[in-house]
Amino acid sequence: DAGVIQSPRHEVTEMGQEVTLRCKPISGHDYLFWYRQTMMRGLELLIYFNNNVPIDDSGMPEDRFSAKMPNASFSTLKIQPSEPRDSAVYFCASSFGGIRQFFGPGTRLTVL
Amino acid sequence: SQQGEEDPQALSIQEGENATMNCSYKTSINNLQWYRQNSGRGLVHLILIRSNEREKHSGRLRVTLDTSKKSSSLLITASRAADTASYFCATDDTGGFKTIFGAGTRLFVKA
Repeated sequence: DAGVIQSPRHEVTEMGQEVTLRCKPISGHDYLFWYRQTMMRGLELLIYFNNNVPIDDSGMPEDRFSAKMPNASFSTLKIQPSEPRDSAVYFCASSFGGIRQFFGPGTRLTVL
Repeated sequence: SQQGEEDPQALSIQEGENATMNCSYKTSINNLQWYRQNSGRGLVHLILIRSNEREKHSGRLRVTLDTSKKSSSLLITASRAADTASYFCATDDTGGFKTIFGAGTRLFVKA
């Protein structure tokens, strides 16, 4: 298995632009998690899905952030409009059963 | 919200020595996990201990859990330079799979 795939690996954009991060979970996994990692705040859970349904989005910082999972093999995290404080590494993780999580390599986002 | 907090924040040891990292959390849990993160990479699951377990081993890893003190420790024996990484504990609440990660311990093993 290729593991969790995230794209792009690096994204540099300007303030106000829309950013879309993509994730392909491991085939057969029924949970998908989106995290954000910064030096100041550590690793924060943004949202997680079970069988493509959002279960807990209480970690989504504000309305500028949205996440979708249209099918079992694809999820997106969108930021619109982006701000410099959104600069971070965003991780997607998937799991079978919801406990042990397999992380992707992350997307390093820089908002200028 | 509950959160694992690791201590120490950073640890530097010589190859061959043992490394011990501690984690404390705030509320009741179902499971506690430890993950490793190499620089610039995603996290990798190391070991899981359930709330009804007190100790677990996996290779050179030993994890203990004390639910009365809401704390866990990770011991890496006979450390190697390749163990250099950040180590995180992660807890989930008893109601679901919302996972909370601690701030991590940065381990540096000198060859």
